[in-house]
Amino acid sequence: DAKTTQPNSMESNEEEPVHLPCNHSTISGTDYIHWYRQLPSQGPEYVIHGLTSNVNNRMASLAIAEDRKSSTLILHRATLRDAAVYYCILRDLNRDDKIIFGKGTRLHILP
Amino acid sequence: DAGVTQSPTHLIKTRGQQVTLRCSPKSGHDTVSWYQQALGQGPQFIFQYYEEEERQRGNFPDRFSGHQFPNYSSELNVNALLLGDSALYLCASSLGIGHLNTEAFFGQGTRLTVV
Repeated sequence: DAKTTQPNSMESNEEEPVHLPCNHSTISGTDYIHWYRQLPSQGPEYVIHGLTSNVNNRMASLAIAEDRKSSTLILHRATLRDAAVYYCILRDLNRDDKIIFGKGTRLHILP
Repeated sequence: DAGVTQSPTHLIKTRGQQVTLRCSPKSGHDTVSWYQQALGQGPQFIFQYYEEEERQRGNFPDRFSGHQFPNYSSELNVNALLLGDSALYLCASSLGIGHLNTEAFFGQGTRLTVV
């Protein structure tokens, strides 16, 4: 399974943008980049995913490097409710669809 | 839509006993995956069920087994419980391979404590 590397933890101030980085230097051409987050005492929830182009949805934006070896999850205006562990995951949806979680980044939001 | 529901929410078992955890997938989803999450760790993939068969399996011993029913609901069974099996067990549902909508929905989990 392709691996991702994320910082263990990050801090951000409330109402400011947050950029969560992820390195995936061994990504294959058919791997999709997915982000999930896990709020305290809850199961993980889907945030966003993309293949090559940048993606936006109501929760966040995903910026993908041109060589696809890294990506950045962008929360445009962090709130206290965004405090969670964020997981960057590679999934080859043509081969299998299991989700392999790493350790993720624990995001702390300061009021 | 109730989303993914898991039961029970909490469970205490004695070492050596057997346990069964249950999961009802999100309406319309045909694939169920199970995960074990130890405290402070990311979820670890146990196995996945599709069309009532185990399709993929992670690195877990045979003490961990499962079942999927015709209505797509699923059970996770763990035999001969060890103290190290204490964890949050998560169920996720999704559509099968090849679907463009790949979002997996997770339940709130079952907290298993083995004493």
